[in-house]
Amino acid sequence: EIVMTQSPITLSVSPGERATLSCRASQSVNSNLAWYQQRPGQAPRLLIYGASTRATAIPASFSGSGSGTEFTLTISSLQSEDFAVYYCQQYNDWPRTFGQGTKVEIK
Amino acid sequence: QVQLQESGPGLVKPSQTLSLTCTVSGVSITSGGNFWSWIRQHPGRGLEWIGYIYYSGNTYYNPSLKSRVSISLDTSTNRFSLKLTSVTAADTAVYYCAKFDYSRWFGPWGQGTQVTVSS
Repeated sequence: EIVMTQSPITLSVSPGERATLSCRASQSVNSNLAWYQQRPGQAPRLLIYGASTRATAIPASFSGSGSGTEFTLTISSLQSEDFAVYYCQQYNDWPRTFGQGTKVEIK
Repeated sequence: QVQLQESGPGLVKPSQTLSLTCTVSGVSITSGGNFWSWIRQHPGRGLEWIGYIYYSGNTYYNPSLKSRVSISLDTSTNRFSLKLTSVTAADTAVYYCAKFDYSRWFGPWGQGTQVTVSS
């Protein structure tokens, strides 16, 4: 199965600053990648699919890029509600697999 | 607006069968093209996809769980269900159901239900 590796495990960022999260696939997944946000005590929420397409109602402060094996999620200006855990997920092959997550915490 | 809600026992004994139900509102589970899925999250860890069921009733499971998993539809109540047999402590997790768009990405998700395997 395709292994998804996210880095860093924890990212400390001040409110208003930019956050850049990385996701690497063990083999090419083309652009078949999604990103999710999970706030404490909540279910994950779809942010991005197709590596760069924002899901419905997701603000423009979230952007995704990359293809093949290297992907990036950027949050342009962190708001209080953006401090959460972020997961990537590939859907190029079966089984669908997730990264282990990056926790974005307040610096 | 599509919404999902999991339900089922929060405690299951080792070697028994875990059974959960997901109630879907806002759309018929048999609407053409819809996939429905189960995902779990072990304590403090990442997400593991369990399997899906298509509106037609076709299923596909994660090979790591395939021998113990079954997912079914109940069209009369607009629900789908998960059964996981021969559970161990390693099956302790929060279980989520989700709409599985085009069998690619997941959303929306239910709020999740904690299942603990313990005697």
